[in-house]
Amino acid sequence: QQPVQSPQAVILREGEDAVINCSSSKALYSVHWYRQKHGEAPVFLMILLKGGEQKGHEKISASFNEKKQQSSLYLTASQLSYSGTYFCGTNQGGSEKLVFGKGTKLTVNP
Amino acid sequence: EAQVTQNPRYLITVTGKKLTVTCSQNMNHEYMSWYRQDPGLGLRQIYYSMNVEVTDKGDVPEGYKVSRKEKRNFPLILESPSPNQTSLYFCASSLYRGLQPQHFGDGTRLSIL
Repeated sequence: QQPVQSPQAVILREGEDAVINCSSSKALYSVHWYRQKHGEAPVFLMILLKGGEQKGHEKISASFNEKKQQSSLYLTASQLSYSGTYFCGTNQGGSEKLVFGKGTKLTVNP
Repeated sequence: EAQVTQNPRYLITVTGKKLTVTCSQNMNHEYMSWYRQDPGLGLRQIYYSMNVEVTDKGDVPEGYKVSRKEKRNFPLILESPSPNQTSLYFCASSLYRGLQPQHFGDGTRLSIL
């Protein structure tokens, strides 16, 4: 079952914050976050394992709520370089399969 | 340089003509997988491999075959391609398991007429 990402798209001005959510109807073992710029391959941002941990990567951080089966990606003080499509990928029930959401397109304008 | 290499990058072909997309990684990764990306559908996993001679179906395996005879290579085979397999394909690898960071190749754009 594909995880559900929201919103589908978001437009920001440079310096604004954004939150992208990823939720699943199945128990999650881990959540991956990737960013893909137009015409390029997805690039790994971070992985969160079950346990409700939060991780950070410069001004991008994420949380994972195992009980709610959801993860959120936080982008603070957005930069032009943050533009792209963000995907969450999930390992459900400990499976080695990786199931991605449909993506959230983030546009950061000057 | 650590990388995942896919070939060809672009291919236009016709229905029914068998084709192979190669994927090779130089990072000694055990886990490799194939995804297709279609507008509005995100990345969908076709097949994955935990190690040599170990492969398993992803979410959209119909119409595809894979093999893993060597650790570094994981070719995707379309025995009888059809237009609904027109897509952007990515190969990816990770160190041991599916829950580790995936390193993606640059993608192969396939058009099947």
